[in-house]
Order: sequence, then C-alpha cells, then structure tokens
Amino acid sequence: AQKITQTQPGMFVQEKEAVTLDCTYDTSDPSYGLFWYKQPSSGEMIFLIYQGSYDQQNATEGRYSLNFQKARKSANLVISASQLGDSAMYFCAMRERGEGTYKYIFGTGTRLKVLA
Amino acid sequence: GAGVSQTPSNKVTEKGKYVELRCDPISGHTALYWYRQSLGQGPEFLIYFQGTGAADDSGLPNDRFFAVRPEGSVSTLKIQRTERGDSAVYLCASSLSDSNTEAFFGQGTRLTVV
Repeated sequence: AQKITQTQPGMFVQEKEAVTLDCTYDTSDPSYGLFWYKQPSSGEMIFLIYQGSYDQQNATEGRYSLNFQKARKSANLVISASQLGDSAMYFCAMRERGEGTYKYIFGTGTRLKVLA
Repeated sequence: GAGVSQTPSNKVTEKGKYVELRCDPISGHTALYWYRQSLGQGPEFLIYFQGTGAADDSGLPNDRFFAVRPEGSVSTLKIQRTERGDSAVYLCASSLSDSNTEAFFGQGTRLTVV
C-alpha cells in the first residue's frame, strides 16, 4: 500500500489566488512527521513546512499552511496569494518513528503551474 | 559547508562501468539518506545511515548498489556494473537524528548510463 498518496499530478492556479495540494498518508505509528517540499525546475528540494502527529494546531510558514486532518490521515498544503515563482513540483513526505528507522517516504508529487 | 554537497553534479558512464557518487552532509547531522529520483517521480528511498552504520538499506535495488559512511560524515554511493536503468538523479540528504526535523537535500548527481 502507498504510504503517501498525492492524487493531483498537475494543478493550475491564477496568480494571487490560493491553491490546495492534496496529500493522504497511511501509517499505524502514532508518532510521525509530515513534510512538504518544493522542487523547482532547477532540481533542488526545498523544505517548506512540517507537521508533527501530536501537534494540536495546523502548521503555518508565511504563505504556506498545512491543513492537518488526523482522523482522515490527510495533510494538504495550502499556498495563499500564489506567485509565479511558486510554479514547481511539490512533494508530500512522511517520517515514521517506528521500526527503528527514520527514513522519509515521498509521494509522487504534484506539478503546480501559476498563471499570470 | 553550509549545505549538503554532492559531487559530481553530472556523471556520464558506459554500461558495465563502476561509479562512485559522493555526499558531504551538513556538519553535525548524524542522519544521512540516499534517494534516487527518476524523471517525473518522487524521490525513492535507497539507504539511511545513522552515524557510521546503515540503519536501513531496504531501498537498495540489488547487490550492485552499496553505500558507505566510514567516519560518520561523508558518504559514498557505489554502483557496480552500471545498467541503463540506473540512469536517474541521485539525491543525498542529511538531518538531525530527531524525528521532528526536516531533511536537507543536496543538488543531486545526475547519472546517465549510455
């Protein structure tokens, strides 16, 4: 079974609008972390935001916020006031504490295109 | 250095040859990861080091792939008898060992096997 599922291969958003990128995850570990990364065409992986499984509040970092719905096992990324520079691939990732390994597991990504 | 450094940035090799890819993590980061990313895909886990030891090598596709981290800092990913299917971007990342921290990625090594 997929640990991280991103069902939107591609998304378009108008500049200055908000956009939500979907991510669902699967784990039986009560302790885990959820991450979003941005990968522009240059190829670098840029960390955006983190949400811990025990965090009571949704994480926010500037224009990025994470809509964490634990019961639904979803961790959607919301980008507000989209900018042209936001056009990139976006990856959701999870890190579980169990099984003695802390590897990050990534989804297949969503390609976001911001339109002028 | 300030970030994760990977060398070379590009490597072209002939099928059947041996290659080494190097990763220099952020100073003080005990956890180091290797991932492989094919075009249009997410990073695929290969191996994870905690200090000098490989804590999880479950992602290595076969015994042609091997990685070391002898002094708990720099790591080398070694691929023997390269095949065209090994062509991909190989990403290295490092993090503090605590689970509540993000991984920092290098720029990757683009490996092309011809």
